[in-house]
Amino acid sequence: QQQVRQSSQSLTVWEGETAILNCSYENSAFDYFPWYQQFPGEGPALLIAIRSVSDKKEDGRFTIFFNKREKNLSLHIKDSQPGDSATYFCAANYGSSGNKLIFGIGTLLSVKP
Amino acid sequence: EAAVTQSPRNKVAVTGGKVTLSCNQTNNHNNMYWYRQDTGHGLRLIHYSYGAGSTEKGDIPDGYKASRPSQENFSLILELATPSQTSVYFCASGERSNQDTQYFGPGTRLLVL
Repeated sequence: QQQVRQSSQSLTVWEGETAILNCSYENSAFDYFPWYQQFPGEGPALLIAIRSVSDKKEDGRFTIFFNKREKNLSLHIKDSQPGDSATYFCAANYGSSGNKLIFGIGTLLSVKP
Repeated sequence: EAAVTQSPRNKVAVTGGKVTLSCNQTNNHNNMYWYRQDTGHGLRLIHYSYGAGSTEKGDIPDGYKASRPSQENFSLILELATPSQTSVYFCASGERSNQDTQYFGPGTRLLVL
């Protein structure tokens, strides 16, 4: 049972395009949604996160759009660069979980020059 | 900066053998976590800990034990390794709040023959 779903296991875009990575979830109690970025051979690292009280969070070229009613969110990477090529994990948790995260299966993003 | 280290980085074990994976963090974080990463499954939580002396079962604890002898160290133990436990294992640390970053180590690649 996948509580956090990432619709694409892989995505390829050209350099300069906007990459859009989608995520949906089942549990309406989830209130915190981080995205982690992982490069080959490394551990995941927090990229950007949003709380369920917000519908948008922006950090440089990275923006999360959040739709609480539809239980989905998306990560937009503007002006994609080859260095953005990595696996992106959508995750979620809720207040009483003690910072336990539930991860999606990840989306492998390839940015072609 | 947050620092989580894991040892060994690579391990080959035989079926039925005992394997111990070690994790050390210098962040003075209360929480520590063990995940495994497999293609098609993303990151799945095996065990976690809220502090020295405590261990809790995660989502896939069968076949694994954990030990938290100190704030800094958290071990994952496979008493009787099986080929299905071939995977990449990640340790992470984080604060107690549900909306705090988890800091991941570089991973241990385990092959069980």
